[in-house]
Amino acid sequence: DTGVSQNPRHKITKRGQNVTFRCDPISEHNRLYWYRQTLGQGPEFLTYFQNEAQLEKSRLLSDRFSAERPKGSFSTLEIQRTEQGDSAMYLCASSGDVYEQYFGPGTRLTVT
Amino acid sequence: AQSVTQLDSQVPVFEEAPVELRCNYSSSVSVYLFWYVQYPNQGLQLLLKYLSGSTLVKGINGFEAEFKKSETSFHLTKPSAHMSDAAEYFCVVSETYSSASKIIFGSGTRLSIRP
Repeated sequence: DTGVSQNPRHKITKRGQNVTFRCDPISEHNRLYWYRQTLGQGPEFLTYFQNEAQLEKSRLLSDRFSAERPKGSFSTLEIQRTEQGDSAMYLCASSGDVYEQYFGPGTRLTVT
Repeated sequence: AQSVTQLDSQVPVFEEAPVELRCNYSSSVSVYLFWYVQYPNQGLQLLLKYLSGSTLVKGINGFEAEFKKSETSFHLTKPSAHMSDAAEYFCVVSETYSSASKIIFGSGTRLSIRP
């Protein structure tokens, strides 16, 4: 069990550029979650996959955001036409049941 | 709608002193309750969880929490703080049998330990 990994750990981009983050969950976990965390706040739910199906999306997830989980393994989160307000820590978590989530270290996005 | 409130954004304690991090929630239905800890540059880690049964739950690193339904609280305690306990702590509430979007995190409490 190598835990949840996320890449890159840090990303600096200019406003208007597209960025993509990757999350590799714990291999036997079928549930995968994306959260966004800003300074001084707790994580906010973005989207949820069960296997390859995206079952839930938050209202926070504007049409500039898209997430995929092909084949029910790793997941990607893409942000198009980034804005300064997108600067945050993006967290990925996976779980085998509804009771405990295992979090990755996060990807810190800075939009300049 | 459910919500969770962590009453203190920062809690400083002396080493070996007792720790209490407060958490209150609101929900119209039954809930699951969790505490997660976030160390610098690391992912969030589950400390303990309340699903049902005994209202006093024990977690890792000597922490425990008591679910008090009448007070809608789930405060985290430890009898004696260690320097290694310095971290951010998040209280989480999830309505039972609900969707992933109903997992709500508090805003966090930063615990600092003074020697």
